[in-house]
Amino acid sequence: DTAVSQTPKYLVTQMGNDKSIKCEQNLGHDTMYWYKQDSKKFLKIMFSYNNKELIINETVPNRFSPKSPDKAHLNLHINSLELGDSAVYFCASSPSSGGATDTQYFGPGTRLTVL
Amino acid sequence: SQQGEEDPQALSIQEGENATMNCSYKTSINNLQWYRQNSGRGLVHLILIRSNEREKHSGRLRVTLDTSKKSSSLLITASRAADTASYFCATPHNQGGKLIFGQGTELSVKP
Repeated sequence: DTAVSQTPKYLVTQMGNDKSIKCEQNLGHDTMYWYKQDSKKFLKIMFSYNNKELIINETVPNRFSPKSPDKAHLNLHINSLELGDSAVYFCASSPSSGGATDTQYFGPGTRLTVL
Repeated sequence: SQQGEEDPQALSIQEGENATMNCSYKTSINNLQWYRQNSGRGLVHLILIRSNEREKHSGRLRVTLDTSKKSSSLLITASRAADTASYFCATPHNQGGKLIFGQGTELSVKP
């Protein structure tokens, strides 16, 4: 019944490793997002996809690569993890193509810790 | 910086008191939204106020918007311990659903 789900909830890994976070939404929404929340709770958008098409690609290192196999899924792969990648990553979705009044529905977050 | 500024950064009150949080941006704001984040959880949408509205109510929430001052406020009346959370304002920037969030106000309501 979970609307936006993410796995895993916690991820602890060593510097230099490659890891993936998965996101699924069962709301039938067209647009999905990845956000990064740092230790000061500052929330910044990283990517958004509308119906499998990349719409927003913020200034994010190219070690981060999103992939959307279908409009219900948006995964985030991170290569060569660095200490500064430690954060909570949130997936979100919204009904349409990200209109100005679109409500975004957030997943529970994935806490990534890079050692 | 595109980030919104929220004030205060932290607020501690007793149950039953009102809590007011303010949000301001350097860029123009449009259709401002407020979200709540409980500890260790994702954000939950609370209320949307459109750019042609000045005030909006939803239950114990009252939101105001002043587009000329690029600011908004969220008032929670008769607070409860369950209102303890971080509260974020967010406004869309350009197209594609990009939301610019405020820094958040951490609200603690003591029973």
